[in-house]
Amino acid sequence: ETGVTQSPTHLIKTRGQQVTLRCSSQSGHNTVSWYQQALGQGPQFIFQYYREEENGRGNFPPRFSGLQFPNYSSELNVNALELDDSALYLCASSDPISQSTDTQYFGPGTRLTVL
Amino acid sequence: DAKTTQPPSMDCAEGRAANLPCNHSTISGNEYVYWYRQIHSQGPQYIIHGLKNNETNEMASLIITEDRKSSTLILPHATLRDTAVYYCIVGYGGATNKLIFGTGTLLAVQP
Repeated sequence: ETGVTQSPTHLIKTRGQQVTLRCSSQSGHNTVSWYQQALGQGPQFIFQYYREEENGRGNFPPRFSGLQFPNYSSELNVNALELDDSALYLCASSDPISQSTDTQYFGPGTRLTVL
Repeated sequence: DAKTTQPPSMDCAEGRAANLPCNHSTISGNEYVYWYRQIHSQGPQYIIHGLKNNETNEMASLIITEDRKSSTLILPHATLRDTAVYYCIVGYGGATNKLIFGTGTLLAVQP
């Protein structure tokens, strides 16, 4: 167990709808990253937030957006859902200051199905 | 694109050592080698990372060649619970930088 939680576990939406996924970081971690994992593929980096500011973005369109809150919890929002958005969405928290834990801790993911 | 090459699958007998290879011939001088694994339907789990020297922790050992162009993850006594996809990742600062995953190696531990 990493201490990173995500909700909901599963979600079904239809094409064109909007979705919000939530992530609660491990205690003390001020950085959160979001990844998309299509079936049979490795996770793909969407973006990262550090102290409520976006701190890097992967090759995803603007309809993928995020927020990080003062308590370091985070949201991933996806507008105008497309069938190809069906995937496992993972968040990972980290602490850039810690010398001993230079890594990211992943949550269990949210499985999104777009019909 | 991922900067690493891994075999798509490997088998290992329970109780034996599992040796998972990774090629990263274009690694830069300050880039680390990270290993994660992903058990079915779970999030990736950090295993170990290293820069130049070999590393060992309670989960595994990481052997990096002297020219740093390849590495091997060693699980000393594989169990059925070690069946997972193992990802070798090259990058700077694992906590603050994006992790670029390839397709990994599916390790199947056989009873």
